[in-house]
Parts: sequence; structure tokens; C-alpha cells
Amino acid sequence: AQSVTQLGSHVSVSEGALVLLRCNYSSSVPPYLFWYVQYPNQGLQLLLKYTTGATLVKGINGFEAEFKKSETSFHLTKPSAHMSDAAEYFCAVRPRGASKIIFGSGTRLSIRP
Amino acid sequence: SQTIHQWPATLVQPVGSPLSLECTVEGTSNPNLYWYRQAAGRGLQLLFYSVGIGQISSEVPQNLSASRPQDRQFILSSKKLLLSDSGFYLCASPRGQGEKLFFGSGTQLSVL
Repeated sequence: AQSVTQLGSHVSVSEGALVLLRCNYSSSVPPYLFWYVQYPNQGLQLLLKYTTGATLVKGINGFEAEFKKSETSFHLTKPSAHMSDAAEYFCAVRPRGASKIIFGSGTRLSIRP
Repeated sequence: SQTIHQWPATLVQPVGSPLSLECTVEGTSNPNLYWYRQAAGRGLQLLFYSVGIGQISSEVPQNLSASRPQDRQFILSSKKLLLSDSGFYLCASPRGQGEKLFFGSGTQLSVL
């Protein structure tokens, strides 16, 4: 069955440091891949998605993610963290041709001044 | 654009009481509809999804059930609530296959 694994329930980085949030999926056929962000007391909003084409996807707020088929991964990165990036981040997958959409358990990102 | 209405926003229910949460979608027809439960440390757990009227897929065996009586209506129910049913329930719908999910504003359910 399709699953999504987010390594690290909590990641803490210094302001200005690289942000790396990990996401791995399990399926032989690459699914549609998404990253969502949830700021405190707010709903989920889409950061970026991968459907087809270029494997490096750019999203909002300076985030990007790279689809690596060989590693079944879709890790989220940002070169320089801002205090405003503190939030919970969710990776999600939708198998192609299927209807279910599965979320990972989430990673809480904290930014140190 | 697509809008999801979900109510009530908060609900406090005693153990053993029934539950009915309603979700309606505007701005689209024949949408896929999803019920998720969000709990700390567990992300968004997919409970049910529906691809059409009367079609329900259950993802997690539990005390809950779902129904889709109309194209744009999705209902989450329980005959007898358990303490473990407490949580934040979200209804969602995508615009298409590779498109983002639109979410309702959620229902915070507390079972006491």
C-alpha cells in the first residue's frame, strides 16, 4: 500500500541556515507529490507540487523540492531560513490514476535566532 | 473557485452520543471528497474518501462512517462516540488529479 514517510517530527535550524525536510514515498510508479505548510492557528496551504516534467520544483516563499525517482524521495529545501518559516510541513502523495491522497505525519520546523 | 463549507466549527459531545459532521462543496461538480483527522504527531490521517454519490472508501477501521447522499455533500457520522474520536476533522476536495486540495475550516471535536 502507498505510504509517505517524513523523517524527523521536529527540525530546528538557525536563521539563515539551510532548511532540509525529508519525504519518502513507497510505490513503484511515481505518484503526484505535494508539500503543504500549516502556520500556527491556520489552515494548510500548498507550497509546491510535482506532477510531471522538471524534477526540481519551485514553490512559494523560496522553497523548492526535488523529485528523485531512484531514491523515491521528494525532499523540501530552502537555502536560508527565516523566522517566518516556523510552521508544520506536510508531504502528501496521490497515486496516479487513484483517488486517495495520503499525508505524512508532518515535520515541525523551528527557527533559532 | 472551489469553496468547502464545514460545520460546526467546534463540538463537545459526551461519550456514547451520536455524531454528524457535514461538508458541502461549491464551485465544482462531481468532486472527489475526503475526510481527514488531524492529531498532533500523526499528521492528517485519511479516514474516508468518495469519488461519487453513494461511493465511500474507508481507510481506517474505526467507530466512524461516511455517506455521500448528494454530489456535493459529504457526511461523517458515528452512532456512539468514543474518547479516542476526539480530534480536528477536515473535509477536503481537489480541483483535479494533480491539483492541490481545498480544505474546509475544520471541526474541533471533543468527546468527554
